[in-house]
Amino acid sequence: GDSVTQMEGPVTLSEEAFLTINCTYTATGYPSLFWYVQYPGEGLQLLLKATKADDKGSNKGFEATYRKETTSFHLEKGSVQVSDSAVYFCALSDLNTDKLIFGTGTRLQVFP
Amino acid sequence: DSGVTQTPKHLITATGQRVTLRCSPRSGDLSVYWYQQSLDQGLQFLIQYYNGEERAKGNILERFSAQQFPDLHSELNLSSLELGDSALYFCASSGPRLAGMETQYFGPGTRLLVL
Repeated sequence: GDSVTQMEGPVTLSEEAFLTINCTYTATGYPSLFWYVQYPGEGLQLLLKATKADDKGSNKGFEATYRKETTSFHLEKGSVQVSDSAVYFCALSDLNTDKLIFGTGTRLQVFP
Repeated sequence: DSGVTQTPKHLITATGQRVTLRCSPRSGDLSVYWYQQSLDQGLQFLIQYYNGEERAKGNILERFSAQQFPDLHSELNLSSLELGDSALYFCASSGPRLAGMETQYFGPGTRLLVL
């Protein structure tokens, strides 16, 4: 079945460092891909999405490109802030049911 | 604020009991999804309703059931609770995929603790 694999965390960075969180997927067809963020004690917020190959989703300085050839959707940010500390989830949308299949989440810790 | 509301925010109960979690979707969204987030299982899809009808089922236990009412709010019923049911339960809503509105927006969750 469809699945999402994320890099293990935690990822620990200093403020203003470059961020990459790897995400790869296995799916039949071409699902929509998403990054959600969960701040401490809160629910899931949509960060960005891409619906077809080569689409780039972006929001709040974060970017991810839908790469069909490598089945990847890596999350990047050029300069992280302490306020970006959270858990980041990569997900795909099942084409038959629309349910979301999530990766295990990657905790990001940014220190001043 | 996603526009999806969930009540209660926290719930503490005992093993063997039954609880009901409530969700109101964003205005205009016909689809409601329920997910469970636990430390050992991660985020797991439980069930989806579309305009009052069950649309898809995931890893939902037989002790759990859900429904969507004519006003589109949804309830998740958990019965014969066990310690392992302690988790964060999220509701999400979306519009129709054909209209390009399949993005799911999540509520703040209900944290269930079974003692």
